[in-house]
Amino acid sequence: DVKVTQSSRYLVKRTGEKVFLECVQDMDHENMFWYRQDPGLGLRLIYFSYDVKMKEKGDIPEGYSVSREKKERFSLILESASTNQTSMYLCASSSLAGGDYEQYFGPGTRLTVT
Amino acid sequence: DAKTTQPPSMDCAEGRAANLPCNHSTISGNEYVYWYRQIHSQGPQYIIHGLKNNETNEMASLIITEDRKSSTLILPHATLRDTAVYYCIVRSLTDSWGKLQFGAGTQVVVTP
Repeated sequence: DVKVTQSSRYLVKRTGEKVFLECVQDMDHENMFWYRQDPGLGLRLIYFSYDVKMKEKGDIPEGYSVSREKKERFSLILESASTNQTSMYLCASSSLAGGDYEQYFGPGTRLTVT
Repeated sequence: DAKTTQPPSMDCAEGRAANLPCNHSTISGNEYVYWYRQIHSQGPQYIIHGLKNNETNEMASLIITEDRKSSTLILPHATLRDTAVYYCIVRSLTDSWGKLQFGAGTQVVVTP
């Protein structure tokens, strides 16, 4: 089974802190994605990566950065956390064969910024 | 503009088949139909996808009408663990990367 893991299920941070969210997949997938999910707004793409050291902006990249140094790991960084970044963060991966719509998601990290 | 229309909710008895409809009347020839679901407090889960032929896998069956303007996801023997929000999505493989856009979906509640 495809397994996508995220470093934390729940996280509480203070405004202005630098926050790291880690995602690891064990299926040798080329593509990895970071989303946030908010009530009434659905799933919104923050960043994605289709290869090591490659990254592309999604719909809402402002206030975020990413890092992909190894194929299996994709990190989301909140440079200076703000209260409007309180959200559920979801990581996903997909293979080139599966295409970017056959995505496998992690359990999510519920981040609260106070 | 929403590309798909789904009923907001439906109930299903445990052990019975659940038939989830989706309308996509403006679908174009190169667009696929994908289904995902999201169980409460978990990440979305890919279920199945198809272009024009009916598809079946270990989780579900996808029936696409001949004119491709609607489809039905069938869970053959619903269990309590199938309670989730189900999302129907249409997309072309030439669409830009990674834009998995969920609509409101259908909240399915499976009851004992």
